[in-house]
Amino acid sequence: SQKIEQNSEALNIQEGKTATLTCNYTNYSPAYLQWYRQDPGRGPVFLLLIRENEKEKRKERLKVTFDTTLKQSLFHITASQPADSATYLCAPKVGGSQGNLIFGKGTKLSVKP
Amino acid sequence: DSGVTQTPKHLITATGQRVTLRCSPRSGDLSVYWYQQSLDQGLQFLIHYYNGEERAKGNILERFSAQQFPDLHSELNLSSLELGDSALYFCASSVGRGRNYGYTFGSGTRLTVV
Repeated sequence: SQKIEQNSEALNIQEGKTATLTCNYTNYSPAYLQWYRQDPGRGPVFLLLIRENEKEKRKERLKVTFDTTLKQSLFHITASQPADSATYLCAPKVGGSQGNLIFGKGTKLSVKP
Repeated sequence: DSGVTQTPKHLITATGQRVTLRCSPRSGDLSVYWYQQSLDQGLQFLIHYYNGEERAKGNILERFSAQQFPDLHSELNLSSLELGDSALYFCASSVGRGRNYGYTFGSGTRLTVV
């Protein structure tokens, strides 16, 4: 069955450092993959989308890579800030162009001042 | 405000009861998705509607049903409720099928079954 794994449930880093979150998937080949941020008790918020033919996508301090050979996506936040503390969800799309997003359980990032 | 409206925000009900959750998608979005989020399961995809038609089903129980109306709002009906149905239920919308845009999520309905 299709499976999504995010490297750890929690990640603690110091302010100013780069946070790197990992998403691994098995048993399917998504056409694209999205990353979301979720704060406690709130709905997820879309951050970035990367397609299977793209190696890297950037948006301000965020960078996402997508390695279809390794079946892995990396999500980086550079110059992290305490306000970046949240749970980050990886969501590959399954089922082709009319498919749906399947979410990983997320990694809870805590950025300490 | 994301543009996706979910009501009610909180719902407390007893086992065996039936409830209806409502979602109004962002203006212009034709697709509506329902997700269930519990502490140990993460976000679980339930069902997808596009312009009034069911497009895909995920891990949706037979006790649950949904529909999307001509004005594009959607309702998720949960019946014969069990304690394990307690969760956050999110609705999300997107521009349409086959379009690679992010989903816009509502703020969710927190359902507590007692």
